[in-house]
Amino acid sequence: DAGVIQSPRHEVTEMGQEVTLRCKPISGHNSLFWYRQTMMRGLELLIYFNNNVPIDDSGMPEDRFSAKMPNASFSTLKIQPSEPRDSAVYFCASLLAGAYEQYFGPGTRLTVT
Amino acid sequence: SQKIEQNSEALNIQEGKTATLTCNYTNYSPAYLQWYRQDPGRGPVFLLLIRENEKEKRKERLKVTFDTTLKQSLFHITASQPADSATYLCALEGGKGRNNDMRFGAGTRLTVKP
Repeated sequence: DAGVIQSPRHEVTEMGQEVTLRCKPISGHNSLFWYRQTMMRGLELLIYFNNNVPIDDSGMPEDRFSAKMPNASFSTLKIQPSEPRDSAVYFCASLLAGAYEQYFGPGTRLTVT
Repeated sequence: SQKIEQNSEALNIQEGKTATLTCNYTNYSPAYLQWYRQDPGRGPVFLLLIRENEKEKRKERLKVTFDTTLKQSLFHITASQPADSATYLCALEGGKGRNNDMRFGAGTRLTVKP
């Protein structure tokens, strides 16, 4: 298995632009998570899905952030408009039903100038 | 407020010694706790899970303890090696009884010197 796949690996954009991060979970996993990691705040849970349905988005910082999971093999995290304080590494992770071990992707390093 | 505190930002030890990392938490009642390893430029990788009714768990050179009275977990790496150098994160089940609501500490960066 290729593991959790994220794209792009690096994204540099200007303030005000729309950014879309993509994630493909491990096949057969039914939970998907989006995290953000910064030096100041560590690893923060933004939102997670069970069976493609958003369950808890209380970690989404503000309305500029949105996430979708149109099917079991694909999810997006969108930031519109982006701001410099959104600069961070964004991780996607997936989880098999009934298991405890989350599998993380390699992350997308986002820089907003 | 809820907090997860890992003992120090960085820990340096000599090869062969035992590394001990601490995770303290407040205002959580986790049913279980996990430890993850993160290498630079990579996502965290799961190492161990320990449940609230378990005092200790071992896996090869790793040992985890969980004291729900002290609200603390200790993570030990015995006979440490330079390859153990990484950041180690503790993660708590967030209290909703679901295995998909984990809250992470900031991590401790371990450096093992040869």
